[in-house]
Amino acid sequence: QKEVEQDPGPLSVPEGAIVSLNCTYSNSAFQYFMWYRQYSRKGPELLMYTYSSGNKEDGRFTAQVDKSSKYISLFIRDSQPSDSATYLCAGSDDDAGGTSYGKLTFGQGTILTVHP
Amino acid sequence: KAGVTQTPRYLIKTRGQQVTLSCSPISGHRSVSWYQQTPGQGLQFLFEYFSETQRNKGNFPGRFSGRQFSNSRSEMNVSTLELGDSALYLCASSLVGTGSTSPLHFGNGTRLTVT
Repeated sequence: QKEVEQDPGPLSVPEGAIVSLNCTYSNSAFQYFMWYRQYSRKGPELLMYTYSSGNKEDGRFTAQVDKSSKYISLFIRDSQPSDSATYLCAGSDDDAGGTSYGKLTFGQGTILTVHP
Repeated sequence: KAGVTQTPRYLIKTRGQQVTLSCSPISGHRSVSWYQQTPGQGLQFLFEYFSETQRNKGNFPGRFSGRQFSNSRSEMNVSTLELGDSALYLCASSLVGTGSTSPLHFGNGTRLTVT
């Protein structure tokens, strides 16, 4: 079993829809959670960065972390065709002990298509 | 501010050869990490460097190595290439490594094809 599980989709939605992307993780030591967006032939682009449980909002994007259920979500409101990409969730534990320096554990990514 | 720059963008090599990939981090970032991305395994951590020292290493064979220079630029080397090394190799930089103030920022990668 992978440390971070993510439904690969693909997910296809009409423009303007609310998109919900989800991941589960198994490592209780994870404290930091990120969402990246990756366009074809590009590197991952950081979208959201959260610490521990709670919500974080940035424009049309909302990230939620529920550490009690080891569940992380990304919501995209008013989705646009330009949001079509692969979305990657990732987790990391504290740097204590050095075992997490530079290391993120990623899900497999969800392919999202927003059609006009 | 310029982002993470990786060169070259594309490489084609033959089995048994070696290859060196280069990464220039965001100005002021001292930590550089390397990842391998494949369709089957996704993104996997290779290693991380900070102040010219390797601080962390993933579960890859010794054929994969790296180094960091005093200006924080980094290179990774793969020796005795195998077909399975075909992948997108991504470099990421951050101020000090993972943590509340240091998220990773990725470059666009080097696409390595081994024939």
